[in-house]
Amino acid sequence: SAVISQKPSRDICQRGTSLTIQCQVDSQVTMMFWYRQQPGQSLTLIATANQGSEATYESGFVIDKFPISRPNLTFSTLTVSNMSPEDSSIYLCSVEVWDSSAGANVLTFGAGSRLTVL
Amino acid sequence: SQQGEEDPQALSIQEGENATMNCSYKTSINNLQWYRQNSGRGLVHLILIRSNEREKHSGRLRVTLDTSKKSSSLLITASRAADTASYFCATAQASGGSYIPTFGRGTSLIVHP
Repeated sequence: SAVISQKPSRDICQRGTSLTIQCQVDSQVTMMFWYRQQPGQSLTLIATANQGSEATYESGFVIDKFPISRPNLTFSTLTVSNMSPEDSSIYLCSVEVWDSSAGANVLTFGAGSRLTVL
Repeated sequence: SQQGEEDPQALSIQEGENATMNCSYKTSINNLQWYRQNSGRGLVHLILIRSNEREKHSGRLRVTLDTSKKSSSLLITASRAADTASYFCATAQASGGSYIPTFGRGTSLIVHP
């Protein structure tokens, strides 16, 4: 299984600023996923990042607000731009891994980045 | 949009009791997965059940799937304080050749020692 390092683990940001979250995987993976988890809520997929191509964004999320980089097969960044208090959430990086006991791909997650926007 | 909906939203039990969480979903699925999230952490995959399976076991976990009712249940037997966490069901649908899970709102489980 893959091990994901995500940073920062938490940050407090001022309204109008931008913050970049980094996700490092210990093995090469094709797709990396970025999720948002608002307080007390479920996970919402922001975008899928493939190496060598532009990220694919889900409905309600746009590149100008959440630009993503995927420079190689082990690393990705998500930037939260022009932040407002509504962006206060946990942002999670995830990759697919083969689970032999399940006989299918499952998701492995980083520990998450908890952002508070004042 | 969210596919799965867990029930109950919160569950509080004593150590040693069984905990049952339910998940309902809306559309056809390839498989259904359960994940656990400890406070302040990422999600950890627990168990996967395919659409052609009805029941699956893994240690103290038992998962059932009823595709006719579009529902699943997760049973944790002989619960421990360490089982305290949020539990999410996730249904997998095809997207660009991959099956990306869509998560429900989760059940918050508290196991009192």
